[in-house]
Amino acid sequence: GENVEQHPSTLSVQEGDSAVIKCTYSDSASNYFPWYKQELGKRPQLIIDIRSNVGEKKDQRIAVTLNKTAKHFSLHITETQPEDSAVYFCASWMDSSYKLIFGSGTRLLVRP
Amino acid sequence: DTAVSQTPKYLVTQMGNDKSIKCEQNLGHDTMYWYKQDSKKFLKIMFSYNNKELIINETVPNRFSPKSPDKAHLNLHINSLELGDSAVYFCASSPGTFYNYGYTFGSGTRLTVV
Repeated sequence: GENVEQHPSTLSVQEGDSAVIKCTYSDSASNYFPWYKQELGKRPQLIIDIRSNVGEKKDQRIAVTLNKTAKHFSLHITETQPEDSAVYFCASWMDSSYKLIFGSGTRLLVRP
Repeated sequence: DTAVSQTPKYLVTQMGNDKSIKCEQNLGHDTMYWYKQDSKKFLKIMFSYNNKELIINETVPNRFSPKSPDKAHLNLHINSLELGDSAVYFCASSPGTFYNYGYTFGSGTRLTVV
């Protein structure tokens, strides 16, 4: 079945630096890739997504890139701030599966 | 006016008990889900309903029984609770099944079995 690998599991960066989180999916039929941010004790919230017909999408300090050939997609956060500290989840979707498959999460810590 | 609301937020109960978690969404979405988040933060799908019809039933023990009285509600009943059931259970909804726009999650129910 569909599988999503996410790396790294933890990431510590200095405030102002960039952070990159990478995911790999297994099924080439996957066509939608959202990213969720989960702050401590809170619900996961959608922060950005990308569909398979697009290679890159940006929203202020966050961007997502997709390489369909390699089945990789990545989250890029620039000019990190302490409030970016959270667990980030990637996910993939196939129309035929009716469900999002989540990666194992990356705990990002932004040091002031 | 919370979009996806779950009750209760916290649930502490003894092994062997039966408990229910309720979920309601006011977004007009057709599809609702239950996910389990374990202590390592891994989010694993349990069930999905589309317009009151069960469409996903992952390999979940049959002690777990979802019920959807209408498309705005999806409840989860758990019989004979075990220690390993301790986790955070998230309800989520999405507009439909065949083209995903991302989920909206509820605030979660932290279940602790003692």
